[in-house]
Amino acid sequence: DVQMTQSPSSLSASVGDRVTITCRTNQSVNTYLNWYQQRPGKAPKLLIYGASTLQSGVPSRFGGSGSGTDFSLSIASLQPEDFATYYCQQSFTDSRTFGPGTTVDIK
Amino acid sequence: QVQLVQSRAAVRKPGASLRISCKASKYTFTGYFIHWVRQAPGQGLEWMGWIDPNTGRTDYAQKFQGSVTMTRDTSINTAYLELNSLTSDDTAIYYCAREMNVIHNWFDTWGQGTLVTVSS
Repeated sequence: DVQMTQSPSSLSASVGDRVTITCRTNQSVNTYLNWYQQRPGKAPKLLIYGASTLQSGVPSRFGGSGSGTDFSLSIASLQPEDFATYYCQQSFTDSRTFGPGTTVDIK
Repeated sequence: QVQLVQSRAAVRKPGASLRISCKASKYTFTGYFIHWVRQAPGQGLEWMGWIDPNTGRTDYAQKFQGSVTMTRDTSINTAYLELNSLTSDDTAIYYCAREMNVIHNWFDTWGQGTLVTVSS
């Protein structure tokens, strides 16, 4: 199975900050990497698929990059509704593994 | 809009079984895989497996093989997750999700989640 790590596991930031979360896999997944946001008490929501394609309706302040084993999710200017947990997921193998998550909270 | 609506929360005793449903609407049910994802209290997302509603073919994460069964009923556009021999470790929210497949694969639509509590 593809093993996934995310860093940091949590971070504190202020509204307007630029935030970057990284995701690493233990084998190449090409660009088969997705990002989800989960707010407390809610189902996950797709943000980015194919490593860098923004899902329809997702604000342009979100961006994804990377390929192979190293990926990142950036939020250009953090908004109050962005305080949540973010998960990466690989879809290169039949097992759709998720990363452990990164929680973004208010400083 | 495309929607997945799951069955309501359930409480079971250890050793019992439970079937959770996931009803699809506003799209062709047989055209997209359905995946199931578990989230234990305060924990992250854990992929459990998928079912192809068109053929009924399934693939389970190794951890869940033998303890879960995924089925579907195409006449009512509904996917099911059956949990067997429940233990307290199965207490979690269970989500179904539709998978898009256009070169890449991603979960574009999620159910609202079903909370399963296993307690004596």
